[in-house]
Amino acid sequence: EAGVAQSPRYKIIEKRQSVAFWCNPISGHATLYWYQQILGQGPKLLIQFQNNGVVDDSQLPKDRFSAERLKGVDSTLKIQPAKLEDSAVYLCASSPALTAGLTEAFFGQGTRLTVV
Amino acid sequence: AQSVSQHNHHVILSEAASLELGCNYSYGGTVNLFWYVQYPGQHLQLLLKYFSGDPLVKGIKGFEAEFIKSKFSFNLRKPSVQWSDTAEYFCAVSRNSGYSTLTFGKGTMLLVSP
Repeated sequence: EAGVAQSPRYKIIEKRQSVAFWCNPISGHATLYWYQQILGQGPKLLIQFQNNGVVDDSQLPKDRFSAERLKGVDSTLKIQPAKLEDSAVYLCASSPALTAGLTEAFFGQGTRLTVV
Repeated sequence: AQSVSQHNHHVILSEAASLELGCNYSYGGTVNLFWYVQYPGQHLQLLLKYFSGDPLVKGIKGFEAEFIKSKFSFNLRKPSVQWSDTAEYFCAVSRNSGYSTLTFGKGTMLLVSP
């Protein structure tokens, strides 16, 4: 079974530039998550999709971050403009459709973003 | 909202030593509990999970965890660690209902010396 695919693996940009990350979840998984993991901390949820609808984006800095999931499959996360504090690993995860809580989330390799 | 606290940020052990990593969560309702592991250069992988039933759950590679509801704890254990267990370990919790998400602790970096 193919896992969660993310690209690029690494990205270095200057502050105030924009950047986009791409995620392809496991086939058939209805739920997709984007997490931000800052060095020395655990992953923090940015946004959760159920199919192509947003379920939770309460911790997404909406003035600079945006995300979409077209046709309920692939997803992109964008940062515009980037700040130094956005340097982190951005993780995409997917899970089967949720009915009675989360059973397991499968994670991609992540994209390591460095803002200089 | 739920939260997770992991007691140790770094743990250093010699091979064959026993391991116990502490995890406490805060949430008043029914929860699902997880331990994820991240080996150097690899993605997060599920180590074990608890949903209901026997509070002692066994995972991969000889790991186990015990859910103690009265203490809101889900500690990870392994009787004898190996050098290959060097990794970062994350405890996570989700609500046992609806569109729940994983809330992670800050992680514990385990270094096992040969």
